[in-house]
Amino acid sequence: AQTVTQSQPEMSVQEAETVTLSCTYDTSESNYYLFWYKQPPSRQMILVIRQEAYKQQNATENRFSVNFQKAAKSFSLKISDSQLGDTAMYFCAFMSSQADYQLIWGAGTKLIIKP
Amino acid sequence: DAGVTQSPTHLIKTRGQQVTLRCSPKSGHDTVSWYQQALGQGPQFIFQYYEEEERQRGNFPDRFSGHQFPNYSSELNVNALLLGDSALYLCASSPWGAGIRQTQYFGPGTRLLVL
Repeated sequence: AQTVTQSQPEMSVQEAETVTLSCTYDTSESNYYLFWYKQPPSRQMILVIRQEAYKQQNATENRFSVNFQKAAKSFSLKISDSQLGDTAMYFCAFMSSQADYQLIWGAGTKLIIKP
Repeated sequence: DAGVTQSPTHLIKTRGQQVTLRCSPKSGHDTVSWYQQALGQGPQFIFQYYEEEERQRGNFPDRFSGHQFPNYSSELNVNALLLGDSALYLCASSPWGAGIRQTQYFGPGTRLLVL
């Protein structure tokens, strides 16, 4: 069974700094999909960025980028020029290409951006 | 473009009662998935509906059931409520298809408290 591990329960950085959140996963598949979602205090889960495993190029969305290391089964999220509105829980999620109906989630990292 | 909507936002029930939660998918999406998120944890997959049928189910008892209507909206029903059913219930919608097309977009959730 696939698992997703986020080893940092909580992180805090100053506004405008860069922060990297870690995620590792375990799978025997070669093709799959990885996601980072953000859950602010409002509770709504918001898609931040996604990556297809067969694509070697790391995904980027404005200030958000990933470092996808397929051999190491690592999928970290880098937030540049952090803003107060980035304060939230961040979840890493895995979707199997053979079971693409469900997301398998990590436990989350609580990110606090300090003014 | 309306996103995923859920109702109600909060609900308080007592043990043994039954509850119905509702979800309307994002415009253009025909697939609805339900997740349970306990406090401080990542979401757990309950089931997925497509074409008014339950397509896949996670490790949840039969007390959890659902329905999808012709307009793609969905209901989650939980019978014989237990204290452990207290959680945030998230609805996600996606277009039916393979791989990354199944990216799931979430509603704001329903917070259920069982006393």
